[in-house]
Order: sequence, then C-alpha cells, then structure tokens
Amino acid sequence: GAVVSQHPSWVICKSGTSVKIECRSLDFQATTMFWYRQFPKQSLMLMATSNEGSKATYEQGVEKDKFLINHASLTLSTLTVTSAHPEDSSFYICSARSRDRGAEAFFGQGTRLTVV
Amino acid sequence: RKEVEQDPGPFNVPEGATVAFNCTYSNSASQSFFWYRQDCRKEPKLLMSVYSSGNEDGRFTAQLNRASQYISLLIRDSKLSDSATYLCVVADKLIFGTGTRLQVFP
Repeated sequence: GAVVSQHPSWVICKSGTSVKIECRSLDFQATTMFWYRQFPKQSLMLMATSNEGSKATYEQGVEKDKFLINHASLTLSTLTVTSAHPEDSSFYICSARSRDRGAEAFFGQGTRLTVV
Repeated sequence: RKEVEQDPGPFNVPEGATVAFNCTYSNSASQSFFWYRQDCRKEPKLLMSVYSSGNEDGRFTAQLNRASQYISLLIRDSKLSDSATYLCVVADKLIFGTGTRLQVFP
C-alpha cells in the first residue's frame, strides 16, 4: 500500500498557541487529502477535504479560521490549529487519496494533541 | 439522519464464533464502500472494499444491499487478533461510520 507520513505523532502545547500538523504522501501524488478529528471512544469526524491547489471544503460546524488547511502540493497538506484551547485536545488524522489509486484512502499515523 | 450509521457495540464473542456487523448509509447515490479496521489509538487500516456482488477475503465477507442502503461485514471463525473497531466508510466523500467495537475472548 501507499505510505502517508504524519508529523508530529504527538504534541503538547500551551493554551493560546498554534500548532501545525503535516501530512505527506511519500510514494504517490495525493490529489485529495482529508483531515479528521477523533475524541476518545468516538468515531473519526471529518473536518475538511482539500484538493491540491484549491481551498479546503470544511464540514458543518468546523471553524475554518481556527483550523487552517493548506494543500499546496501533491505530496503535502498541513493543518494548523490556531489559538489552541484544551477542548481542541484530540487525535487528528490525515488521509490521502490519489486519482490513480481509485477510491482507497491511505492514513497517516495520527497526531495526538494535548493543549494545557 | 447521520450519513453513515453503525451499531457501536461492543460485540463480545468467543473465539471461533461468527459475527456480523451492519452499516446503513443515507445517500442513495453513494457508489463506493469500504470496511476499515482501527486498533486502539492507531490509524484506521483498510480491511476490504465492498463490491455490489459481494466479496470474500478469507474469513471476511462483505455484502452491499443498495435497495436497503446497507453494507455488512461477516467474520467467521473469530480470532483474538480480530478484536478492534470496525468502521464502514462511504468512499465518495470518505465519511466514516461510528465504528463497531469487537472483542473476541478466549
């Protein structure tokens, strides 16, 4: 399968600071990337979908000014959590899909964010 | 109505048992479906695609019923290592169900 690398795998930050999470497709071109958030014992909640070179499409209830998504190249997407608060503490996972590889999506390892 | 719905479980079954999960979806235009498996505190991994005619991969069988808008996953001869959360996915927009937790005990 294809490889998606997400970094960092965990981060602790102070309330009010911003955190950037990177998602890279290592061996394929990711035409679409998805960002999810997962709280303990809950399902993956889709936050936004981004196509390379386009603005991200955010799901209802997700603040686009708080969760900044950039998909500037076919191998890199970033999620920046701005002015993080303790309630933003969660597991963030990216997923990437390529037109050449059908509908299957490949996941990063996830980033565990703790805001203190 | 949620786009994808699953019974969250947990399903507690003994080794060797057969267990089935269902998942319903709301968008009748949806074309592609998957079953993913997620272990605790890990990222989801693809288990199998779901084809219209139904498909089998070893002990796992996936079925799609378009008329009733549900997909199913059947696991035969459960192993301890099958313990995980199983997520059904509408692939068009990569929407996940809530997941069904399976616990296989000795």
